[in-house]
Amino acid sequence: GENVEQHPSTLSVQEGDSAVIKCTYSDSASNYFPWYKQELGKGPQLIIDIRSNVGEKKDQRIAVTLNKTAKHFSLHITETQPEDSAVYFCAAPNDMRFGAGTRLTVKP
Amino acid sequence: NAGVTQTPKFQVLKTGQSMTLQCAQDMNHEYMSWYRQDPGMGLRLIHYSVGAGITDQGEVPNGYNVSRSTTEDFPLRLLSAAPSQTSVYFCASSYGPGEDTQYFGPGTRLTVL
Repeated sequence: GENVEQHPSTLSVQEGDSAVIKCTYSDSASNYFPWYKQELGKGPQLIIDIRSNVGEKKDQRIAVTLNKTAKHFSLHITETQPEDSAVYFCAAPNDMRFGAGTRLTVKP
Repeated sequence: NAGVTQTPKFQVLKTGQSMTLQCAQDMNHEYMSWYRQDPGMGLRLIHYSVGAGITDQGEVPNGYNVSRSTTEDFPLRLLSAAPSQTSVYFCASSYGPGEDTQYFGPGTRLTVL
């Protein structure tokens, strides 16, 4: 089955700095790589995803990069704001497995 | 659209009691799933369904039952609650498994004493 490892488990940055979260996976058959954001007391919500035919995708301050050779994909958040504080999950949904999550704290 | 709804929001059970967590979606999604979320362990798949009448086990199915009689509903049954089942439970749905966005419900926080 698919193993998904996510790092770091916690990340604290100053407002305006960048944040990077990385996930590695084991199953080379994976073709879809989403990132979810979970705010306190709520269910996870998709913020960005990438498919294996592209290497990078951007949506305003958020970007995801994919390296299929190395089997890892990363979430990049630039110009972080306090409302970015949340838990972020990567997933390898071909096998419905999620990373353990990264708790991001953005300090004003 | 209401999206994915879950009831109840909170529940406290005693060891050995049974209960059903309800999940419904109004997006006509074929794929539905149940996850449990425990601190430091992310989301773990309990059971999933690829359509009405079809269910299968996920990573941690023991102690749970599911059925899918309609496209809209996917209830999760705890047969005999144990303290190890204390967790937050999320239901999710998507058009299809594997390569589609999953839409999550707000969760049910379950405590088993």
